[in-house]
Amino acid sequence: QKEVEQNSGPLSVPEGAIASLNCTYSDRGSQSFFWYRQYSGKSPELIMFIYSNGDKEDGRFTAQLNKASQYVSLLIRDSQPSDSATYLCASSGGYQKVTFGTGTKLQVIP
Amino acid sequence: ETGVTQSPTHLIKTRGQQVTLRCSSQSGHNTVSWYQQALGQGPQFIFQYYREEENGRGNFPPRFSGLQFPNYSSELNVNALELDDSALYLCASSLDGGITDTQYFGPGTRLTVL
Repeated sequence: QKEVEQNSGPLSVPEGAIASLNCTYSDRGSQSFFWYRQYSGKSPELIMFIYSNGDKEDGRFTAQLNKASQYVSLLIRDSQPSDSATYLCASSGGYQKVTFGTGTKLQVIP
Repeated sequence: ETGVTQSPTHLIKTRGQQVTLRCSSQSGHNTVSWYQQALGQGPQFIFQYYREEENGRGNFPPRFSGLQFPNYSSELNVNALELDDSALYLCASSLDGGITDTQYFGPGTRLTVL
């Protein structure tokens, strides 16, 4: 079982819609979670991080964390074609390493 | 821009050769982590350095080694290159590697092994 699992997609949403990206993790020791956006051929770019159960909002992005269910999600409101990219979920238990999922490819259709 | 730089951008090597990749972290960031990202996969943790000492390693063989220098630069060395080593190599710098620490990635080095 992979430590961080994501649906590889592609997830297609129309422009202006809400995109919902999901991630589950297996290590209950994980304490912080990150969402990165990666455009093709580029390096990952941090979008949001979350440490506490509940929701965290930043502009059009909302991260949700449910530690009991070992579930993390990212909502993108008013999706734009420029949001089309691969979204990587990552977990960290602290020192030494961050574990990434394989990413979900998002396509926003104009 | 994250303030993290990597060189070279692209590199082509042949099987059996050795390669050194370089990274310059953000000033003040004491931790650097190296990742290998194969096509269509998420980044895989290679190892992490904190204040010039290795303090964590992923499932990579000893032919993957690293160094971190006091001037916030670091190196990833790979000996005896194999075809499967072809990937994007990413370095990420952060303050102290702690639970709430956030990693910032460099642009990566694309390594092709022929």
